[in-house]
Amino acid sequence: DTGVSQNPRHKITKRGQNVTFRCDPISEHNRLYWYRQTLGQGPEFLTYFQNEAQLEKSRLLSDRFSAERPKGSFSTLEIQRTEQGDSAMYLCASSLAFGNRVADTQYFGPGTRLTVL
Amino acid sequence: AQTVTQSQPEMSVQEAETVTLSCTYDTSESDYYLFWYKQPPSRQMILVIRQEAYKQQNATENRFSVNFQKAAKSFSLKISDSQLGDAAMYFCAYRPRALNTDKLIFGTGTRLQVFP
Repeated sequence: DTGVSQNPRHKITKRGQNVTFRCDPISEHNRLYWYRQTLGQGPEFLTYFQNEAQLEKSRLLSDRFSAERPKGSFSTLEIQRTEQGDSAMYLCASSLAFGNRVADTQYFGPGTRLTVL
Repeated sequence: AQTVTQSQPEMSVQEAETVTLSCTYDTSESDYYLFWYKQPPSRQMILVIRQEAYKQQNATENRFSVNFQKAAKSFSLKISDSQLGDAAMYFCAYRPRALNTDKLIFGTGTRLQVFP
């Protein structure tokens, strides 16, 4: 295991379609994060999980977005009824947290670039 | 709300020279982390250096060092002996130390070009 992996790397879809992305974190990491990065901007936080529990969600995560991490390992991010404004790079990161300690460094994956036509 | 500002959209440096990238942030918290991440073209983001706000000593990682001015809320990155491989987008990021949140807040980035 050499790092965080994301699939697919690129996704082109038509407006109104649903898309799902997958993230596989570094194997021993218990925290997993999703960020969105639009052109010319820094990444913006969407949500994060500790094991299977979703602990924090951004206001950016509208009702059309849902993230899951059912077994505390990989995670999926689904966007329903995609809009052109959803076009962005979706980044996943993972880290290791011990008990109540603040989690260690977040390690990022290569991202999934979504283009909505 | 916490914000991070990078006022230099682009910077350039000649190989072997030194360059400093600026970052300021706004927060009412007293304890937090600050990071510099590097994002090469079409490649994933990697951590360059991190600083814990309660530590007065500036962090250093090989050719990379920071100038952390807590009162001024400033966190600049100095790259010494620049190399062609340093060319990338550099993002400054803030993270609160609070236990009920765990998100990075990024600036808009600085694109660094390195000329031979």
